[in-house]
Amino acid sequence: EIVMTQSPATLSVSPGERATLSCRASHSLNSYLAWYQQKPGQAPRLLIYGASTRATGIPARFSGSESGTEFTLTISSLQSEDFAVYYCQQYYNWPLTFGGGTEVEIK
Amino acid sequence: EVQLLESGGGVVQPGGSLRLSCAASGFTFSSYAMNWVRQTPGKGLEWVSSVRAGGDATYYADSVKGRFTISRDNSGSTLYVQMNNLRAEDTAVYYCAKSPGSSSHYYFDLWGQGTLVTVPS
Repeated sequence: EIVMTQSPATLSVSPGERATLSCRASHSLNSYLAWYQQKPGQAPRLLIYGASTRATGIPARFSGSESGTEFTLTISSLQSEDFAVYYCQQYYNWPLTFGGGTEVEIK
Repeated sequence: EVQLLESGGGVVQPGGSLRLSCAASGFTFSSYAMNWVRQTPGKGLEWVSSVRAGGDATYYADSVKGRFTISRDNSGSTLYVQMNNLRAEDTAVYYCAKSPGSSSHYYFDLWGQGTLVTVPS
């Protein structure tokens, strides 16, 4: 099983600032990584797939990158609607696995 | 409108069974792999099961293998999961989720709103 480790667990950021979220995989993923955003009481929403491709309708302030088994989600300038929990997920092999999540909170 | 609508959740005693349904609309259901993902209250996400577009291959998390069965009715655009021998640790919100392809790239580009399953300890 590929273990996905997200850090930090909580990130405190002021509106307008940049947020950088990390996700580390225990095995190479060949870019088969997705990022999701989840707000309280809502289902997750796909942000990024293929490690760096934005899903339809996702603003350009969200970007994904990778370096080996380290993946990064960057939100360039946080808006009020971006405060949420973010999850990474690998789809390189079975079982599909998620990271534990990073909560982005208002500083 | 493109959407997924789950139903069938509720309270069930340990050892009991439940069948969840997910009605799809707004897209060609038979062309896409489908999935169940669950979330324990206040916790993270856990993949449960997936099925190819044609229903010819299924995949399960070890935690549910042998107890849960995923299936689909492509003519009725509905996804199912039959859950048997339920345990307290199966308590979660169960989401139905669509994948973008028929048999590969199992990430989730459309989610339902979820249905809560509670198994008291």
